Amino acid sequence: DQQVKQNSPSLSVQEGRISILNCDYTNSMFDYFLWYKKYPAEGPTFLISISSIKDKNEDGRFTVFLNKSAKHLSLHIVPSQPGDSAVYFCAASDGSSNTGKLIFGQGTTLQVKP
Amino acid sequence: GAGVSQSPSNKVTEKGKDVELRCDPISGHTALYWYRQSLGQGLEFLIYFQGNSAPDKSGLPSDRFSAERTGGSVSTLTIQRTQQEDSAVYLCASSSRSRGQPQHFGDGTRLSIL
Repeated sequence: DQQVKQNSPSLSVQEGRISILNCDYTNSMFDYFLWYKKYPAEGPTFLISISSIKDKNEDGRFTVFLNKSAKHLSLHIVPSQPGDSAVYFCAASDGSSNTGKLIFGQGTTLQVKP
Repeated sequence: GAGVSQSPSNKVTEKGKDVELRCDPISGHTALYWYRQSLGQGLEFLIYFQGNSAPDKSGLPSDRFSAERTGGSVSTLTIQRTQQEDSAVYLCASSSRSRGQPQHFGDGTRLSIL
């Protein structure tokens, strides 16, 4: 039972355009969501997070949108740069648990073409 | 160092041997997590430590897996009688508190069981 799903295994965009990565979840108790970027042979790097009390959080070129009714979040990267090419994971934390352990999606490989 | 440090970065061993993986979290971070990523998969939670509280071991896949955290800092993950399905990247993360703060990951240990 996959509670966090990233249905697009890969995405290719042109440099300078917008990249939109999507993530769906099933557990209504999730209350904290994060996006991580991962390069080969490195650990995931934290990008941006959002609490369930908000519907948008912005940090530079990165914006995360949360639609609780649809159980959907997305990461927008504007403008996309070749250095953004990596695997992106969304993750969620269950508010009913005091551990803060994260449930991860399968990842989306983003390729930004020069 | 400033980040989460893991050692070794790579480990190749024969089936049936025991292995020990080490994690040195960010200084001052009280919450520590172990995850693993099998080939082509997302990250899977293994175990969580917070201060002197009893660890959450709910993600450990079998009793061959164990972990400890000494002095509230360094953690070791031990796998006894390794099997080929244990081959994966084992990632450690730490956070300043259990909930509402991002987890920061090390670069992982790539474990290969021959």
